[in-house]
This record gives sequence, structure tokens and C-alpha cells, in this order.
Amino acid sequence: KAGVTQTPRYLIKTRGQQVTLSCSPISGHRSVSWYQQTPGQGLQFLFEYFSETQRNKGNFPGRFSGRQFSNSRSEMNVSTLELGDSALYLCASSPWTGNDYGYTFGSGTRLTVV
Amino acid sequence: DQQVKQNSPSLSVQEGRISILNCDYTNSMFDYFLWYKKYPAEGPTFLISISSIKDKNEDGRFTVFLNKSAKHLSLHIVPSQPGDSAVYFCAASVRFGIQGAQKLVFGQGTRLTINP
Repeated sequence: KAGVTQTPRYLIKTRGQQVTLSCSPISGHRSVSWYQQTPGQGLQFLFEYFSETQRNKGNFPGRFSGRQFSNSRSEMNVSTLELGDSALYLCASSPWTGNDYGYTFGSGTRLTVV
Repeated sequence: DQQVKQNSPSLSVQEGRISILNCDYTNSMFDYFLWYKKYPAEGPTFLISISSIKDKNEDGRFTVFLNKSAKHLSLHIVPSQPGDSAVYFCAASVRFGIQGAQKLVFGQGTRLTINP
């Protein structure tokens, strides 16, 4: 079956712009989480969506937002980009059956802010 | 506050020998622990996990040990193979909220290099 698909793979933006990243989870997976990976901070949790509702949010400023659609696809948006937002953004999906803790990650979107 | 720590940024092991990667955590509420393997420009790939009610889980060449009293877990790879060279992340999860939602808290990663 198809894995977690993230688009685009690479993105270059300038400071002050906004960006939208997309994630298509594995078919049947209802939970989608987003993580930011940077060399200094490692993998940091951004937020998690389940059935179009944000259940958890990490410790990131309000410039970072997301949403999930009825088909479980998710988008995250970063407004007023800063140089420090340059990172690999990873999406993970899970079936969330209550006992299944399996998270499958996509290959990520590499965002560079110049 | 780094709740999950991997104190060794890198580890070099001879092919065929045992690789031991370590991870410490501080939050006693964590109830599930996972190990992921990551290659450059790819997302993390799930390797093996362990519930907090167990102290060992084995899957082929990979074994994870959990010592709750020490808040320590380790991943053993035996025998190590060149294809095991990658960055390894340990992660911990805790359920919270009414709906039992969870998030993964990752360590900083350990770069494992297997030398032929």
C-alpha cells in the first residue's frame, strides 16, 4: 500500500512569506502528526490531528498552524517565515485504533528560508 | 527541558559485533517507547517498540531493553551489518487528554557507523 506522501519535497522561501505543506496519510489512517527536525533541536512535535480536530499542539508559536480534511489529508501552514524555520518538516500517520501505536513517517519537506 | 536524551551523538562498531544504543528519559508518565532509524533526506523508519509493562522485546537482530527504575532503555543490534549505518532515534509517548491523544518525544539521535 502507498506510504505517507508529503509535498513538495523541497521548498525555498524568503523571510516574511508564508508556506503551506501537504501530507497524505496512509489510506485508513485517521491520525496525522507533524514534526519539525532541525540540527539543533532534533525532532520536535508540532501538532496532531484526528478526524479533522486538533488534539495536541506542541510548543510552537501561533505562526504554525494546521488543518485536516475529511479525507484525512492534512496541511500545515507557517506564516511570516523566519530564518529559524528552515528545517525538515515530517508528517506521520497512524491508524489510531487505541492499541496501535504505529506511526509511519513520510520523507518530509525540506524548507529553506532565505 | 529534554525529557528524552541520547547522550552519545555517534557510535562506531565493527561489522558482526554488537551495537548498543542508549537512551534515558525523565518523565515517568511515558508508557511506550520506540526506536526509529533514519537515513538522510528520508523520514524515520520504525524499528521496534516496547510497552512500559515489559522489560524486553525482541525482533530478529533487534532487541530493546527497558529499565524503568533507572528510566533507561537500550537497543541492541546483533550482529551489526553495514546497512545498519544510520541515525537512530529513541522516542517516548504518553497518552494525555480526554481522547487519549498522544505525541512522540524524541531523543537527539545517535549516528551509528558500522565498519567493514
